[in-house]
Amino acid sequence: DGGITQSPKYLFRKEGQNVTLSCEQNLNHDAMYWYRQDPGQGLRLIYYSQIVNDFQKGDIAEGYSVSREKKESFPLTVTSAQKNPTAFYLCASSIFSADTQYFGPGTRLTVL
Amino acid sequence: AQRVTQPEKLLSVFKGAPVELKCNYSYSGSPELFWYVQYSRQRLQLLLRHISRESIKGFTADLNKGETSFHLKKPFAQEEDSAMYYCALSVNNNAGNMLTFGGGTRLMVKP
Repeated sequence: DGGITQSPKYLFRKEGQNVTLSCEQNLNHDAMYWYRQDPGQGLRLIYYSQIVNDFQKGDIAEGYSVSREKKESFPLTVTSAQKNPTAFYLCASSIFSADTQYFGPGTRLTVL
Repeated sequence: AQRVTQPEKLLSVFKGAPVELKCNYSYSGSPELFWYVQYSRQRLQLLLRHISRESIKGFTADLNKGETSFHLKKPFAQEEDSAMYYCALSVNNNAGNMLTFGGGTRLMVKP
């Protein structure tokens, strides 16, 4: 269970501020993903990365940014351009992009 | 574009009753489908994938390409099956594989 971690568990920010969510994995997985989970809408893909120094936009990338400088880390920045940032954010990883994804515990972001 | 639909947001059954969680998909390519489950206070985790053709915790799911469905079934529900269930479709594009999730179905098994 501890192979993929997200921090913090709860995060509060004021409108107009950028905030960065952490995602770390020690599973030696190549692929990593960020999802947003809203009630009744399931999970929607924000960004994904198949390999270090490469990442692709998902279905709802606007207002978000990522980096993949290390294999084990895939931080997500929620920028002030994101219109409705309050949500539960899930990070996942997989050995390669077509394989089973393993999820972190999530970060709940609330914009005040 | 690909799409996954789970028509029931909530499914409530009694313990010992059969359960079927519906999943329909639309995708022009060859589908690879998954069921993920999220128990209370636990992480989202894989329950089963269609290529494995296995039964996990008594659950099975058969891919029906004619009806574009991948319904999850269990003949006798248990209280510990209460959870949120998500159907997901793996899609390959030029940038790799992506999962598209349905909206989820909350299963409540009553004693």
